[in-house]
This record gives sequence, C-alpha cells and structure tokens, in this order.
Amino acid sequence: GQQVMQIPQYQHVQEGEDFTTYCNSSTTLSNIQWYKQRPGGHPVFLIQLVKSGEVKKQKRLTFQFGEAKKNSSLHITATQTTDVGTYFCAGPVTGNQFYFGTGTSLTVIP
Amino acid sequence: NAGVTQTPKFRILKIGQSMTLQCTQDMNHNYMYWYRQDPGMGLKLIYYSVGAGITDKGEVPNGYNVSRSTTEDFPLRLELAAPSQTSVYFCASSYSAGGPSEQFFGPGTRLTVL
Repeated sequence: GQQVMQIPQYQHVQEGEDFTTYCNSSTTLSNIQWYKQRPGGHPVFLIQLVKSGEVKKQKRLTFQFGEAKKNSSLHITATQTTDVGTYFCAGPVTGNQFYFGTGTSLTVIP
Repeated sequence: NAGVTQTPKFRILKIGQSMTLQCTQDMNHNYMYWYRQDPGMGLKLIYYSVGAGITDKGEVPNGYNVSRSTTEDFPLRLELAAPSQTSVYFCASSYSAGGPSEQFFGPGTRLTVL
C-alpha cells in the first residue's frame, strides 16, 4: 500500500495567498526530499531535509521535517503564478527505494 | 552536460509488443531509477540500480526488466505490453556518498499501449 501520503491532493489559491502541503510516512525516514513538477514536465529537485525538526527556507518556500522524521511540510508564502505545479515529497522508505508521495497539485488564480 | 536523456519521447505499442526505453546519464552517477507516473498520480518506482551490474526491484516491477552494464546506461525493457502499462516513464539518477541524494530526472517517455 501507499507508504508516503500527501494532503491535500489539490489546492486552488488566489495569487498572494499562502499554500501548505503535508507529507506523512508510515515509517521513519532517514531523509526527505521535495520535488516540483510543472504541467507536462518532469520532477525537479527542490530540497533535502535530513535532521529531525529541521527547517529550511528558499525565498518564499519553507520546508520542515518532523521531530519523529515521519512527516514533513512545504509552505509557500504569497503564492505567485510561477508556483503552479505539483509538489511531491519522497523518502527512502526501505533502503535505497524511494517512495514518492501522491503529490499536491497547486493552481494559482491570478 | 546533457544530464539525463531518455528516448523515445513518445511511443504507441500494440498489446503484446515489446520495446526498450533508453536512459543515459553523463554525470557519473552510480544510482539510477525507473519510475512510472499514471495520470494525476505520483511516481512509482519500477526498478533501481546502485551501480553497474547491480539492479533491484522497486514497488511495481512486474512486466518490466532492466540491466545495467555501464555506469551511464540503464535501459528498461517491456515484454508483452499491456494496456495497464500505459503511462509516462521517468528515468532518474543520483550521486551517492553514504546515501541517496538529489535525483535528476530525464524528460520522460510517454507510452500508450492499445
């Protein structure tokens, strides 16, 4: 069954509103990665989190790794139309096997 | 650096036909992966390799085979194509020094089986 879940599956926001997607794993992860996939494109790496409780920022994007290393979140402040796409988390659930989350599709309404 | 390249970009197969999806990376990465992505869904790992001569099954390996004779190439073979294999296939690679790191994805192969 699905080992890495993401919510919500879809999110529509007005430009300028904030957006958050949550990722939950059924097992403890040694690290978690986040990717963005534009419509019709391929996943592009955003960031990797390794430490328990880690928080990293990239401009308007804030990434968190939970204390128990079983959950993570991505928060975008003041969304822009360039943020449109699907955001995936991914983690090495077993050894070198990466399991991707189900993804959150973000639509930004101008 | 071309990164990760995949051929073909598109392909239509008839049920029962076979084909090989090609994947090449020029970054000297030892880890390589094959994923499939069904419409509106996440990526599911088919097979992966941690180095030349070493491959292992992922989450959904049935109906596929792989080989890794060189560091650069990681072809995916479909035998007896079925409509359930209609999907977009992505190849990815990553450098590893004590664990998998950032994955670089190819542009994908869009496969339809009719």
